[in-house]
Amino acid sequence: AQSVTQLGSHVSVSEGALVLLRCNYSSSVPPYLFWYVQYPNQGLQLLLKYTSAATLVKGINGFEAEFKKSETSFHLTKPSAHMSDAAEYFCAVRRTSGSRLTFGEGTQLTVNP
Amino acid sequence: DTGVSQDPRHKITKRGQNVTFRCDPISEHNRLYWYRQTLGQGPEFLTYFQNEAQLEKSRLLSDRFSAERPKGSFSTLEIQRTEQGDSAMYLCASSLVKGTTDTQYFGPGTRLTVL
Repeated sequence: AQSVTQLGSHVSVSEGALVLLRCNYSSSVPPYLFWYVQYPNQGLQLLLKYTSAATLVKGINGFEAEFKKSETSFHLTKPSAHMSDAAEYFCAVRRTSGSRLTFGEGTQLTVNP
Repeated sequence: DTGVSQDPRHKITKRGQNVTFRCDPISEHNRLYWYRQTLGQGPEFLTYFQNEAQLEKSRLLSDRFSAERPKGSFSTLEIQRTEQGDSAMYLCASSLVKGTTDTQYFGPGTRLTVL
């Protein structure tokens, strides 16, 4: 069975500081990995995805993530936080032959002025 | 390109009543998914369709829940005899399967409150 662990349910950074949101997965084979963002009372918006091509994936809004098989990690980073980045972020995993997404519990990002 | 839409956005009902939600996927997307999200948690898979066929159902989907996608386009999710534990955000997603790539795009969700 696959699972996703997001370390830190709440992360707080200053505007302009580095954003690092952690995601570790458990899977018998390298899966497909996704990061989604959710703003209050809205659905999920896809930030980026890893589907076994380049290990460094660039997404929207300046975010990127690096797939590290040896560490079973897929951490999300952004060099400089903006106030508009404040939201909840979800890491998700899917088997390459599967369909359903399995989500982590989410990380609430706060950006302080 | 219109995104996934869901209706209604909010629903308040009394315990024991039936409710039905609708999801309209992105045009020409052949897969449609339903997820449930409770407060402070990530979404949990409920069921999905490929065209009009319901291919997988989670154990979370009790007998009181039923989903349909009659013509392979929009889908409905019905909850019968609602319980307070059904209060959650119900999210719909759609995707176009190409090979093994299946990127799911989510709608805004329907927030259900059962009193």
